[in-house]
Amino acid sequence: EIVLTQSPGTLSLSPGERATLSCRASQSVSSSYLAWYQQKPGQAPRLLIYGASSRATGIPDRFSGSGSGTDFTLTISRLEPEDFAVYYCQQYGSSKLTFGGGTKVEIK
Amino acid sequence: EVQLVESGGGVVRPGGSLRLSCAASGFTFDDYGMSWVRQAPGKGLEWVSGINWNGGSTGYADSVKGRFTISRDNAKNSLYLQMNSLRAEDTALYHCARGDYGDLPRYFDLWGRGTLVTVSS
Repeated sequence: EIVLTQSPGTLSLSPGERATLSCRASQSVSSSYLAWYQQKPGQAPRLLIYGASSRATGIPDRFSGSGSGTDFTLTISRLEPEDFAVYYCQQYGSSKLTFGGGTKVEIK
Repeated sequence: EVQLVESGGGVVRPGGSLRLSCAASGFTFDDYGMSWVRQAPGKGLEWVSGINWNGGSTGYADSVKGRFTISRDNAKNSLYLQMNSLRAEDTALYHCARGDYGDLPRYFDLWGRGTLVTVSS
């Protein structure tokens, strides 16, 4: 099973700042099969990124994904008030799908 | 409206059984693989099980293999999860999620709000 470790656990930033979230895999994720989701309290998760860097339908271009192998990054270029939430990475390079533990982006 | 709505959650004793349902609407259900993903209270996401478009291929997390069974009825646009031999650690909000294409889901582009399962004596 591929274990995904997200860091930091919590990121305290102000609106307008840049957010950089990390997701590290215990072994290489084949074909960059990595996705990112956003979840707000009381809501279902929302797909942001798939294939490590492809934005899902309707996702603003301030969200971008990068990385390969074992190291992946989600960047939010300028935080909007609605971006404060928990973010999860997920790998689908193996048949046993796994998620990271999440990074909470909170208002400083 | 494109949506997934789960039902069937509740309180059950350890060792008991429960059947979850997910009603899909607004899209062609049998074009997509589907999954169940759970979230323990205050915790992260855990993939539970997946099924391809026609039910011919399924997959399970090791934590539920042999106890849970996923199935679907394309005529009713519905997904199911039969949960047997429930344990306290199965307590979670269970989300239904749509996969990216017809085979076993890889990532999930549509989620339901979830149904809560509580296993307690």
